[in-house]
Amino acid sequence: QKEVEQNSGPLSVPEGAIASLNCTYSDRGSQSFFWYRQYSGKSPELIMFIYSNGDKEDGRFTAQLNKASQYVSLLIRDSQPSDSATYLCAVKGGNTGKLIFGQGTTLQVKP
Amino acid sequence: ETGVTQTPRHLVMGMTNKKSLKCEQHLGHNAMYWYKQSAKKPLELMFVYNFKEQTENNSVPSRFSPECPNSSHLFLHLHTLQPEDSALYLCASSQDGGQTLDTQYFGPGTRLTVL
Repeated sequence: QKEVEQNSGPLSVPEGAIASLNCTYSDRGSQSFFWYRQYSGKSPELIMFIYSNGDKEDGRFTAQLNKASQYVSLLIRDSQPSDSATYLCAVKGGNTGKLIFGQGTTLQVKP
Repeated sequence: ETGVTQTPRHLVMGMTNKKSLKCEQHLGHNAMYWYKQSAKKPLELMFVYNFKEQTENNSVPSRFSPECPNSSHLFLHLHTLQPEDSALYLCASSQDGGQTLDTQYFGPGTRLTVL
């Protein structure tokens, strides 16, 4: 089992729709969770992080964390073509403190 | 310069060459990281320095040698690399790698091609 799992996609949504990106993790002791966006040929850019169960909103982005089910998700409201990128989920391990990345989900927002 | 910078942005080298990658952070952070990103694979952590001390070596081959002279600068020395080492090498920094609530910020990366 991979430590951090994401569906590689591509996930295709029409412009203006809600994009839902999901991530599961195996280390039950994980304490902090991050979403990065990576455009093709560029480096990862932090979108947001979440530490507590529940929802955290930042503009059009909402991160959701459910530690009991070991999943974290990212919702993008009013998706724009400029949101087309690969979204990386990263989990900071409970034991090692290392940041473990998923493979990323490619999002395509079609005009 | 702001954030995390890396030089060179692109590097082509032969298997017998020796080269170095440089990373500099202007964020006042105390932890720096090297990651490798290959196609179709997750980001792989290579090395971690926290307050100039190496705290992580993720079973990286000895042909990769890190150096951290101070909290703002990080190098990755390369020698006798293999073609499979071709990848995007990313540097990151954070305030304190030992803290759970610690966020990493990435540089633009060096695209390395080994011939």
